[in-house]
Amino acid sequence: QVQLVESGGGVVQPGRSLRLSCEASGFTISNFGMHWVRQAPGKGLEWVTGISYDGSNQDYADSVQGRFTISRDNSKNTVYLQMSSLRAEDTAIYYCARDWFASGIFDAFDIWGQGTMVTVSS
Amino acid sequence: DIQLTQSPSFLSASVGDRVTITCRASQGISSFLAWYQQKPGKAPKLLIYAASTLQSGVPSRFSGTGSGTEFTLTVSSLQPEDFATYYCQQLDTYPFTFGPGTKVDIK
Repeated sequence: QVQLVESGGGVVQPGRSLRLSCEASGFTISNFGMHWVRQAPGKGLEWVTGISYDGSNQDYADSVQGRFTISRDNSKNTVYLQMSSLRAEDTAIYYCARDWFASGIFDAFDIWGQGTMVTVSS
Repeated sequence: DIQLTQSPSFLSASVGDRVTITCRASQGISSFLAWYQQKPGKAPKLLIYAASTLQSGVPSRFSGTGSGTEFTLTVSSLQPEDFATYYCQQLDTYPFTFGPGTKVDIK
């Protein structure tokens, strides 16, 4: 069964760090770019960051640039999100998603995890 | 950054209704657009990619059109399981922005 399972969420104080993990099963992540998308309570979806299939390229939303780092360990079939200098506005459900090239140049996020909640509060 | 707007932001409809949601991009994105459906407490689900290609397993009552800056998602005959929030996403340029969402509720 193809799936993504996030872990590592929890309650953390402002200014502290947290690392999220996203473990894939049923497919090999080394063939895919991977992304993190978050959703604040009652709000819409916000793309956070993405990493290329081999880890050579990463991109970040301005809101997390310099504070968050995405990485991957293809041997463990796992993607990570290292979050530092956390702020209250980082409170959200964090989803991991697979970037699937459906037809040559066109891609989309076809597999999503169930999400892990991060709450930044003192 | 490319901004996406969606209209309407909220839609009240009945089972069997034809529903259309519009997504507009702040600059041309060719057909690099996807549509997702999200139900409360669940992860988003891919419905359409490349602006108009139906994802495998998605009912044919869903369809997408458009290119450049204007796109539409249509549900030809709304079913009870279609009441949800719908998001568009551009995959032309990083950051891969999402639209603000359209909530489809039961009239």
